[in-house]
Amino acid sequence: EAQVTQNPRYLITVTGKKLTVTCSQNMNHEYMSWYRQDPGLGLRQIYYSMNVEVTDKGDVPEGYKVSRKEKRNFPLILESPSPNQTSLYFCASGVGSNGADTQYFGPGTRLTVL
Amino acid sequence: QKEVEQNSGPLSVPEGAIASLNCTYSDRGSQSFFWYRQYSGKSPELIMSIYSNGDKEDGRFTAQLNKASQYVSLLIRDSQPSDSATYLCAVFRGAQKLVFGQGTRLTINP
Repeated sequence: EAQVTQNPRYLITVTGKKLTVTCSQNMNHEYMSWYRQDPGLGLRQIYYSMNVEVTDKGDVPEGYKVSRKEKRNFPLILESPSPNQTSLYFCASGVGSNGADTQYFGPGTRLTVL
Repeated sequence: QKEVEQNSGPLSVPEGAIASLNCTYSDRGSQSFFWYRQYSGKSPELIMSIYSNGDKEDGRFTAQLNKASQYVSLLIRDSQPSDSATYLCAVFRGAQKLVFGQGTRLTINP
């Protein structure tokens, strides 16, 4: 089954404790992206990657890191999480000439930082 | 001004009627436009994409694009209770960035 998977689905952590949210896709997509979704602010792009070893900042990259060492994986790293990073996070992968023509979203990771 | 603006709703439409969702965008150079549907507690799902001025139909859904006026709309004909969801407008900005509106919450009343 073609899908984007994220782990963990739910996470409660404390300020400053480094964490990684994994994202994996089995569709051989070159484009992958991370978003956060907050009430009243909608979905905002954190980072995206056009291909292996190629990443770039979205609109809200502060406090996040990413890496793209393999085509299928695109982990999101929070080196020192803070309460304002409490949010619902989505990973997505895409196809098309733009990379975003058809984006498939993962199930989401609900993160709470205390 | 937000890059992509939608009326947050809620928009309430009787079953069988036409639901009309609107979106405006600020970057005149935008070329690709998308509508996503998001059920409560679920991830967004792409339902329509449109790239050229005019209408694009897919089943009960019609996307309309007017680049001169910088708006894109989504019409849902014969609305069903299963169409109740939040609809997200997204615009592909240069450098591979996808910008979303806040979403419009649609409720179809039986």
